[in-house]
Amino acid sequence: NAGVTQTPKFRILKIGQSMTLQCTQDMNHNYMYWYRQDPGMGLKLIYYSVGAGITDKGEVPNGYNVSRSTTEDFPLRLELAAPSQTSVYFCASSYGQDSPLHFGNGTRLTVT
Amino acid sequence: GESVGLHLPTLSVQEGDNSIINCAYSNSASDYFIWYKQESGKGPQFIIDIRSNMDKRQGQRVTVLLNKTVKHLSLQIAATQPGDSAVYFCAENRASYQLTFGKGTKLSVIP
Repeated sequence: NAGVTQTPKFRILKIGQSMTLQCTQDMNHNYMYWYRQDPGMGLKLIYYSVGAGITDKGEVPNGYNVSRSTTEDFPLRLELAAPSQTSVYFCASSYGQDSPLHFGNGTRLTVT
Repeated sequence: GESVGLHLPTLSVQEGDNSIINCAYSNSASDYFIWYKQESGKGPQFIIDIRSNMDKRQGQRVTVLLNKTVKHLSLQIAATQPGDSAVYFCAENRASYQLTFGKGTKLSVIP
C-alpha cells in the first residue's frame, strides 16, 4: 500500500491565484482530514470528511474548500491565495473516529 | 489558548539514555490520546495511542502514561537512539473526529 499520497510536494503561488492540493489514500479509510502546519507549531485542522459526500469544517476553514466524491480522494481547494496561507499542508486518513491518523508527506505552499 | 501543550520545547539526551516527553491537556472530556513523531520534511508518524480507560500502554521501546487526575500525558522512549531524533507531538480528541495537536517537542540525541 502506498498509504496517503499528496501532490504536489512544493508549490509557489502569487496572491490571488488558485490551486488544488491533491490527496489520495489506498487504505479504504472512510475518514480523511486536511491539516496545516505553520513553522514551530502543531497541526491545525482545516476540513475533514467522514465518508464520500460528507465534509465538515475544522478549526481553520476560511479560505479553503474541499470535496469528497470518492472514498479515495479528498482534494483541498484554495480559491484566492493569500500570504497567510503559506504553510505546509498535510492530508491524513483514518479507519474510524478514535483511530490513529495516517499522514501524507505534505505539500509545502508559499504565497507571495 | 492551546488545550494541548508541552512542558519542554526542546530535549537533548545522550544516546542510550531514556527520554521522557511531557504533555498537558485541559479538556477532561478527551478520551483518546496519540503520540506522533515527525522527522524533517515528512508527515507525522504514529507512535502509540492510549484511551482514557487506561493509565499505561507499552509498545516497542515506548511507553505512554496517562494521568487523568492532573491531565498529563507522557511518552517514554527507552534506550534512545539517533534515529529517535525528531519532533514529537501529542494529540487529543477534544471533539468528535477532530484531533487537537500540541506544538511539539524537539528531541535531539547526542551520540
